[in-house]
Amino acid sequence: KAGVTQTPRYLIKTRGQQVTLSCSPISGHRSVSWYQQTPGQGLQFLFEYFSETQRNKGNFPGRFSGRQFSNSRSEMNVSTLELGDSALYLCASTPGGGAQETQYFGPGTRLLVL
Amino acid sequence: GESVGLHLPTLSVQEGDNSIINCAYSNSASDYFIWYKQESGKGPQFIIDIRSNMDKRQGQRVTVLLNKTVKHLSLQIAATQPGDSAVYFCAERIGNFNKFYFGSGTKLNVKP
Repeated sequence: KAGVTQTPRYLIKTRGQQVTLSCSPISGHRSVSWYQQTPGQGLQFLFEYFSETQRNKGNFPGRFSGRQFSNSRSEMNVSTLELGDSALYLCASTPGGGAQETQYFGPGTRLLVL
Repeated sequence: GESVGLHLPTLSVQEGDNSIINCAYSNSASDYFIWYKQESGKGPQFIIDIRSNMDKRQGQRVTVLLNKTVKHLSLQIAATQPGDSAVYFCAERIGNFNKFYFGSGTKLNVKP
């Protein structure tokens, strides 16, 4: 099976712009989670989607949003970008049944905000 | 709030030695733990997991130990190799579904 894929891999934006990142989970996986990774804060949970519904949410401002499509692909959007949003954005997928499932990560999208 | 912390930010070992990476967690309700390895420029890679009803789990060259009494998790890597050099994270799951809290990471340097 192909792994989790994320596009684009690299992105440069300026403050105030908005950005959309995409994640395709492993085939058959219905849960997609998003994380932000920075040197200062480490890996922080953003949100999780399952069956097109947000099932879990971390402690990020409303500028961070996401959605999931019927094919389980997910997008996250960050509006009004700030310098501090520069980070590696990772998505991870699991089958989504709610049991203790292994979470598999994609390679990430590196976002640089200038 | 919940937190997952690592005791050592950097660990240097000689090739062939065993490595032990530690992790403390704070939430006694955590029921599932995963160790990840992250190499530069890549996403975290699953190494091994353990459920809260277990104390120990072994994989290929890796062993995870869980001590629920003191809320401590460790990853043991046997016969450490240069390819093991990476940052290692522990992650804990709290509640249902897939919300994980990650430790700050330990960088493992393997000296040839």
